[in-house]
Parts: sequence; C-alpha cells; structure tokens
Amino acid sequence: EAQLVESGGGLLQPGRSLRLSCIASGFTFGDYAMSWVRQAPGMGLEWITFITSRAYGGTTEYAASVKGRFTISRDDSKSFAYLQMNSLKTDDTAVYYCTRIAVGGNAFDIWGQGTMVTVSS
Amino acid sequence: DIQMTQSPSSLSASVGDRVAITCRASQGIGNSLAWYQQIPGKVPKLLIHSASTLQSGVPSRFSGSASGTEFTLTINSLQPEDVATYYCQKYNSVPWTFGQGTKVDIK
Repeated sequence: EAQLVESGGGLLQPGRSLRLSCIASGFTFGDYAMSWVRQAPGMGLEWITFITSRAYGGTTEYAASVKGRFTISRDDSKSFAYLQMNSLKTDDTAVYYCTRIAVGGNAFDIWGQGTMVTVSS
Repeated sequence: DIQMTQSPSSLSASVGDRVAITCRASQGIGNSLAWYQQIPGKVPKLLIHSASTLQSGVPSRFSGSASGTEFTLTINSLQPEDVATYYCQKYNSVPWTFGQGTKVDIK
C-alpha cells in the first residue's frame, strides 16, 4: 500500500528555519512527482510547491507565498522528499501535507498524515 | 492567476438527497480539475480527477462534470459518512489553486 509519512514539524519563532521530511513506501518513489500542501488552522488547502520526477528534470515550482523562502528537494535513493523552510512567518503556521502527484495527471492521489508547524513569538 | 470560485460555502441536506457543488474557473482550464473530500479531523482524499474520472475505490454516488469553466461535483443519495468539506483544485498551470471549500452536513 502506498504511504507517505511526514516528520519534522514543531514550534518555533519567526525568522527561524525548519526542514520537513516525507518518507514514501509502497511505490516506486522515483517515478512520481511530489508536492507539499498546507492547511492553516480552520482554513482551506493551499498548494505550496512541487518537484517533478528525475525523468522530467526534477523541476520545481512554488506558490508566491513561499517562493524564495521554501525549497523542495528529493532523494530518490532513500525515497524521501524534503521541504526546507527559511525565514518563517506567523502566517506559515499550518499542517503541512506531503502528497504524491498521480501519474498522467496532476491531482494529489496519496496524502501523508500531516505535520504541524507553529510559528509564534 | 486563475481564480477558482466554489459555491456554496456550506449546505445542509437530508440523507438520500442529491447534492451539487460548483467550482468556476476565471479562465479556461480544460479538464484539469480535481475534487477532494476532507472528513473532519482527517486527511484530504482524492475523489475525482480530470473533471469527471472517479478515483479508484470512491463510491459511485460521487460524480463530476464540466461545462466550459464550470465544474460540478454531485453526490447522489447523500450518506451520513459524506459529512465533510469538499474542495476543488485546478492543475492546468501553476499556481495549483484550491477552491475555498464547501462544508456539507446532514439536516
């Protein structure tokens, strides 16, 4: 069964950095594009970034709200996706979901359980 | 950026009712639209992709349709386990925007 498990969330002050990790299992990780989606408390879903598979160049894209501060990366040998978050703001407080992007389309077909990031002074 | 306007923001219906949720794109997006269900306290789940293709394992009472820039998620015969917030999402081009969500509950 395909599964994603995030880790690395926590409580930290504005301006600090944090790296989230996502380990995949149950599928050939390197064949898939991966993405991060976040959800602020009581709010809707916000796509923030994706990275394509190596076959498609490992191309990355970012939402305007995180561009220049967040970096997505992947390690296909370990089946990990990462989200490096720098210069964190209180508005970045959210549950962060690692998602798999379905082959042949761009819908998110597998979701992790999420990891909470709280940015507060 | 293309905006996705989802309506209504909430609805209440009886068990067995047919329910429709609409998502309108500010520009054409082809059929690059997905629908997700988020049961309270749970992780979002993909229901439909490519505007009308049911994801494997999703009950057949869920269906999606498209007409130009308007997309509809229909739940035929609403069930108690369908209480959730439903989101549309476009993915033809970045940013991959979600709709604001529609909260569905039982009357």
